[in-house]
Amino acid sequence: SQQGEEDPQALSIQEGENATMNCSYKTSINNLQWYRQNSGRGLVHLILIRSNEREKHSGRLRVTLDTSKKSSSLLITASRAADTASYFCALNYGGSQGNLIFGKGTKLSVKP
Amino acid sequence: DSGVTQTPKHLITATGQRVTLRCSPRSGDLSVYWYQQSLDQGLQFLIQYYNGEERAKGNILERFSAQQFPDLHSELNLSSLELGDSALYFCASSTRSGTGGTNEKLFFGSGTQLSVL
Repeated sequence: SQQGEEDPQALSIQEGENATMNCSYKTSINNLQWYRQNSGRGLVHLILIRSNEREKHSGRLRVTLDTSKKSSSLLITASRAADTASYFCALNYGGSQGNLIFGKGTKLSVKP
Repeated sequence: DSGVTQTPKHLITATGQRVTLRCSPRSGDLSVYWYQQSLDQGLQFLIQYYNGEERAKGNILERFSAQQFPDLHSELNLSSLELGDSALYFCASSTRSGTGGTNEKLFFGSGTQLSVL
């Protein structure tokens, strides 16, 4: 399957704690992207990491990519109740296809 | 606001019917993507258009078809609807064609919730 697999499927933490979500995949990618989806809403792009990059930061977000292990992690530091959402990793395989293949997501609940 | 507009927001119809979902991409974006999101299947890629031409095809049923018009808006047509077609349908757009070497992110609309009764 070309789909990424997120782990865990659900995560519940207290405000102020860090949240870590993982994504594993099976075949080589062009880039990997993380998206957030608030309940029933459209997906919002968070961060893109290319296959030749190992780590990227954006505000309280930190993404790592290990191509040898075919895995990525998304770390949200000092979480807030507003971070409650589903988080998806999306794989881009390059070539003529610009479409993204999404995993099933991690449902994050941040309790105040 | 992503700049991608989808209409209608909600659609309720009966089995066997045909519906059309509409998407207007962000200004300047040439690529349009359609995704279906359901609880059991997750977010499934259906089809991509670039500047009016089909670019990539995913898990799109033969009962479904799409097109992108000269003004770059796109329509997804769903026919002979079944109960299992009930889902949230998203349109997304991006700037480039998606050919090798590009690193593009997608901008998603807020979706059309389709309920087939």
